Amino acid sequence: DAGVIQSPRHEVTEMGQEVTLRCKPISGHDYLFWYRQTMMRGLELLIYFNNNVPIDDSGMPEDRFSAKMPNASFSTLKIQPSEPRDSAVYFCASRFQGAAGNTIYFGEGSWLTVV
Amino acid sequence: GDSVTQMEGPVTLSEEAFLTINCTYTATGYPSLFWYVQYPGEGLQLLLKATKADDKGSNKGFEATYRKETTSFHLEKGSVQVSDSAVYFCALIIQGAQKLVFGQGTRLTINP
Repeated sequence: DAGVIQSPRHEVTEMGQEVTLRCKPISGHDYLFWYRQTMMRGLELLIYFNNNVPIDDSGMPEDRFSAKMPNASFSTLKIQPSEPRDSAVYFCASRFQGAAGNTIYFGEGSWLTVV
Repeated sequence: GDSVTQMEGPVTLSEEAFLTINCTYTATGYPSLFWYVQYPGEGLQLLLKATKADDKGSNKGFEATYRKETTSFHLEKGSVQVSDSAVYFCALIIQGAQKLVFGQGTRLTINP
């Protein structure tokens, strides 16, 4: 089975530009998560969706960040305008509520550098 | 609140050495426990998990036992290899909740 698929894998952009990160969760999973990883703060949960509906966005750092999930197989995380401090690895993850053990599966990450 | 504490890294060992990475947790409810591994330049991969007290998770020669009495989930491997060099994350999720709480990660380097 295909895992969580993220794109782009790597992105370098200039400050002020819009950045869009994309995610395809594992088929059949009903929860989708966006995490950010930095050296200073480790792994932080930004937002998560249940059945395409945003449930908790309290981890979104500021209004420059937005996330959508228009359908069960696609989600985006957008940063507009981007700033150098947004440089990080952004992970998408998904899980199925009915699965034993609460396992969350992660994608390979999108490595973002804002210069 | 819920939290996970891992032993400070980095950890450097020689090949075939015995590995222990300590992990303790604080949980407001009943957690499932996980170890994730991140190889250089890659994403997070689930290494092993345990969902109830005294369960032992195992994979690729790694083991960890869910110890409720000591609130611990230490990762062990009897003989490490160079290919085990990675960052290891201990994590928990409370039953009924959705947020995976991570430790700070432990960087492991194995020298030949």
